Amino acid sequence: AQKVTQAQTEISVVEKEDVTLDCVYETRDTTYYLFWYKQPPSGELVFLIRRNSFDEQNEISGRYSWNFQKSTSSFNFTITASQVVDSAVYFCALSGYNNNDMRFGAGTRLTVKP
Amino acid sequence: DTEVTQTPKHLVMGMTNKKSLKCEQHMGHRAMYWYKQKAKKPPELMFVYSYEKLSINESVPSRFSPECPNSSLLNLHLHALQPEDSALYLCASSQGPSGVGYTFGSGTRLTVV
Repeated sequence: AQKVTQAQTEISVVEKEDVTLDCVYETRDTTYYLFWYKQPPSGELVFLIRRNSFDEQNEISGRYSWNFQKSTSSFNFTITASQVVDSAVYFCALSGYNNNDMRFGAGTRLTVKP
Repeated sequence: DTEVTQTPKHLVMGMTNKKSLKCEQHMGHRAMYWYKQKAKKPPELMFVYSYEKLSINESVPSRFSPECPNSSLLNLHLHALQPEDSALYLCASSQGPSGVGYTFGSGTRLTVV
């Protein structure tokens, strides 16, 4: 069975602070994919990143960075110098390599205050 | 075209109505999905179509009936719904296994009265 845990239900920061969203996963698959999505109040799911289990390189995209650690089954997401527009619910998700499905964590609601 | 288009964006229906949600993609993706998302909850997988065949049905009640007429279209037929079925219904598509190119539509917000 696959499971994604986002222990942080809500996080509130002040603009320009750095913030890390935690994601821990469980899977029996040896090959799998991890994702992060952003869901702003408008409701659409915005794709942020997809990482396969063979690639443990950390990734940086502008103010966003991701730390994948297979040894601890974690795929954490850091926003540097947060902005009000970063306020949203962020979901971590897991998909098996040969399964056409994706399972989401419960989500972390991030509020960035001016 | 890198979008998944869902119609309608909003739907209000009575418990005795029959309605359909539509989803369309023209990215050549061969897997399409329906998810249900209740308020303040994560999306939950309902159905998966792979190469136009139903491959996953997550024990969804029969009042929800999916249909995949062709590789670009996915429908969700609704009949005799309950108020607790009110939710955001999201469609997604991907190239196939592994979720390459997994793309979500903006959803249909359904209210059952």
